[in-house]
Amino acid sequence: SQQGEEDPQALSIQEGENATMNCSYKTSINNLQWYRQNSGRGLVHLILIRSNEREKHSGRLRVTLDTSKKSSSLLITASRAADTASYFCATGQAGTALIFGKGTTLSVSS
Amino acid sequence: EAEVAQSPRYKITEKSQAVAFWCDPISGHATLYWYRQILGQGPELLVQFQDESVVDDSQLPKDRFSAERLKGVDSTLKIQPAELGDSAMYLCASSSDRGDTEAFFGQGTRLTVV
Repeated sequence: SQQGEEDPQALSIQEGENATMNCSYKTSINNLQWYRQNSGRGLVHLILIRSNEREKHSGRLRVTLDTSKKSSSLLITASRAADTASYFCATGQAGTALIFGKGTTLSVSS
Repeated sequence: EAEVAQSPRYKITEKSQAVAFWCDPISGHATLYWYRQILGQGPELLVQFQDESVVDDSQLPKDRFSAERLKGVDSTLKIQPAELGDSAMYLCASSSDRGDTEAFFGQGTRLTVV
């Protein structure tokens, strides 16, 4: 079963533009994580935000979490062609496996 | 940098045959996951180990799939017999703490059943 739902399913932008992806989930969580997956490869962890946090930054990434709305957003600023990939949110609860959404496919053209 | 190792990277097998995948997690990680990812979808959990014990295999099709993690280190996932619908990417991941920290993924095994 999948808990998270990313929106949009696909996003196409130009280099230098910002990319925003959203994730909604259904049940209470301990943390929410974002992963990137290049075509045909494994997933790479980007950032983890805990349920008592509202915003977190890592380089060009900014993640927000609104537990009252059960939603999160991932902002990638000044996108590069190398950011082209699929992005997944995953919800975590202590003692259980991460549950992933269906992902957003980001295409950045130069 | 420590990595999760998986083999093989690619596997083509005929339906009704047996197939096995191997995973070596990051040293010291007690938690190991096997996920299946169908093209265009997110990963879905098949089985979760804590050391050598299975803690969640509720989504594992047990009539044909089996998983083991002897000695609590590396793990094997087996499918017997394979069906056409099993074609997917099989991903192994490990973490130091179930659900509460990041998971590290291997490169996956792309299985094609013909």
